[in-house]
Amino acid sequence: DAGVTQSPTHLIKTRGQQVTLRCSPKSGHDTVSWYQQALGQGPQFIFQYYEEEERQRGNFPDRFSGHQFPNYSSELNVNALLLGDSALYLCASSFGAQGASNYGYTFGSGTRLTVV
Amino acid sequence: GESVGLHLPTLSVQEGDNSIINCAYSNSASDYFIWYKQESGKGPQFIIDIRSNMDKRQGQRVTVLLNKTVKHLSLQIAATQPGDSAVYFCAENIAGGSYIPTFGRGTSLIVHP
Repeated sequence: DAGVTQSPTHLIKTRGQQVTLRCSPKSGHDTVSWYQQALGQGPQFIFQYYEEEERQRGNFPDRFSGHQFPNYSSELNVNALLLGDSALYLCASSFGAQGASNYGYTFGSGTRLTVV
Repeated sequence: GESVGLHLPTLSVQEGDNSIINCAYSNSASDYFIWYKQESGKGPQFIIDIRSNMDKRQGQRVTVLLNKTVKHLSLQIAATQPGDSAVYFCAENIAGGSYIPTFGRGTSLIVHP
């Protein structure tokens, strides 16, 4: 049973460019959350998708957008990249009806984005 | 001993010692607390959790203590092994919503053989 898979694993982009990161949730999961983890920091919540809609959003600018597909996979898009967007981007999947519990909440290994 | 580095607090211990990692949280509305372990090149992995109606919970070689009065959380690892070397994060979840953990800064644990 595959866990959460993210692609690509590493990416280098230039300032001002746009990037799309992808996430396939664990089998049986229908909710996807995205996090940004800067070097030496804890993951920061970007947004969560459920039933193809953004359900909650953290304190990130509109340059960060996302999408969830009918098969529950998700994309994170970042426009007009800044040097400060360099980070590890983590995806976590879960089952929407699990409520406020960690049970089954599973992180992928992330995409390392470097903006030069 | 414990020291604060440029990026992450670091705790260095000898194999077989007990480790204690501390965490302060800030939101009084949080009612659920979680410890995660993150190894290099991997995403965070769940270790143990505790709800605010408890002050102690034990797992296999790990114990979490919660002191709501001073908003303090600790993770105790018994008989620390080299495989325990990683960054440890405490996270809190605010009552009333779905599970979206808010992570703290993290502590790097280094276990010397």
